[in-house]
Amino acid sequence: EPEVTQTPSHQVTQMGQEVILRCVPISNHLYFYWYRQILGQKVEFLVSFYNNEISEKSEIFDDQFSVERPDGSNFTLKIRSTKLEDSAMYFCASSDSRGRTQYFGPGTRLLVL
Amino acid sequence: DQQVKQNSPSLSVQEGRISILNCDYTNSMFDYFLWYKKYPAEGPTFLISISSIKDKNEDGRFTVFLNKSAKHLSLHIVPSQPGDSAVYFCAAIISGSARQLTFGSGTQLTVLP
Repeated sequence: EPEVTQTPSHQVTQMGQEVILRCVPISNHLYFYWYRQILGQKVEFLVSFYNNEISEKSEIFDDQFSVERPDGSNFTLKIRSTKLEDSAMYFCASSDSRGRTQYFGPGTRLLVL
Repeated sequence: DQQVKQNSPSLSVQEGRISILNCDYTNSMFDYFLWYKKYPAEGPTFLISISSIKDKNEDGRFTVFLNKSAKHLSLHIVPSQPGDSAVYFCAAIISGSARQLTFGSGTQLTVLP
């Protein structure tokens, strides 16, 4: 069964460093998303992406964040200068042309020290 | 801004009995609802969904009921199995291209053997 994959599974970084989280969405899906879950809190929407541009973004997704689909398979989330409060699980998701049911990857656990 | 609420943080059920997980929402624009299951250190796994034009959707042991007038949905699992023990998230979406899911805070279901 097709699935969303994410790398790395864990990332530890120093505050102020840049990180890139990678995702390979399900191959025939058209819509791509990033969510995060801070420990003990809800899963929160960050950004959605369609047709090589951002469709929606939340207020969390400030200028420190960017997304890119550098080729036909990868979808990346870059955090330019990490802060302590960026420590969280980051989930990538994708959905098909109907765009309603989103399928999630296993997540990347980001720890900012 | 809690547009989707799961008021029970935990639920324990005996194996073989019915599990009922509840979810309330406030935004009347939501027109599609989903339940996800999540194990620790994994991403949310899609379980079942329902459109706002329906009041019931069934898939094997899982049934979702929607009461639009009460802005309430529930997930029934029958019979419950120990492998069902996980956190269950309710999520809602306003249909359209690449729209965000809004999640509830989750209910930890424990099925006792």
